[in-house]
Amino acid sequence: KAGVTQTPRYLIKTRGQQVTLSCSPISGHRSVSWYQQTPGQGLQFLFEYFSETQRNKGNFPGRFSGRQFSNSRSEMNVSTLELGDSALYLCASSAEPGDEKLFFGSGTQLSVL
Amino acid sequence: AQSVSQHNHHVILSEAASLELGCNYSYGGTVNLFWYVQYPGQHLQLLLKYFSGDPLVKGIKGFEAEFIKSKFSFNLRKPSVQWSDTAEYFCAVNALDNAGNMLTFGGGTRLMVKP
Repeated sequence: KAGVTQTPRYLIKTRGQQVTLSCSPISGHRSVSWYQQTPGQGLQFLFEYFSETQRNKGNFPGRFSGRQFSNSRSEMNVSTLELGDSALYLCASSAEPGDEKLFFGSGTQLSVL
Repeated sequence: AQSVSQHNHHVILSEAASLELGCNYSYGGTVNLFWYVQYPGQHLQLLLKYFSGDPLVKGIKGFEAEFIKSKFSFNLRKPSVQWSDTAEYFCAVNALDNAGNMLTFGGGTRLMVKP
């Protein structure tokens, strides 16, 4: 069974640009959540999607958005990039919201120059 | 909003030493509690979880954690560590009124086990 797949693995962008990250959950998993990991702030929850609906949202500005497709794949978008958006963005999937176990992907390392 | 505090940022132990990593959370309601581990070059993976029942929970690789409700703590323990336990460990909570997977993580503890 394939794990959570995130693409691309690395990204370099400049300030003001926008970026889209992709996440394919484990087959059969319908809940996808996103986290931002930085050395200073640690792991912070961004949002969670289930059945193409956003269920929860973390404390991030509106520049951060996401969506989920009917096949459960998810994308997150960051517009007007800032230097502070440089981070590892992790996607996690579970069978259902509130499921006991999250499966994490390897993440997308975003560098904003 | 909930928060999670891990007391030790870096821990260095010799093999066979005992391990205890502290985790405290702040939240007035009911929570589910987790420890995740990230081995070098690998994904975050679940080590153990507490939902309800026996406050002493056992996870993979000989790890266990004890939920002490009165202290809002969920400390991770292992009687005898191995070199392969070198990793970063994250404590996390999920408030049950979130109705989803909205984990709040602690800052992580980097464990280095010397052979």
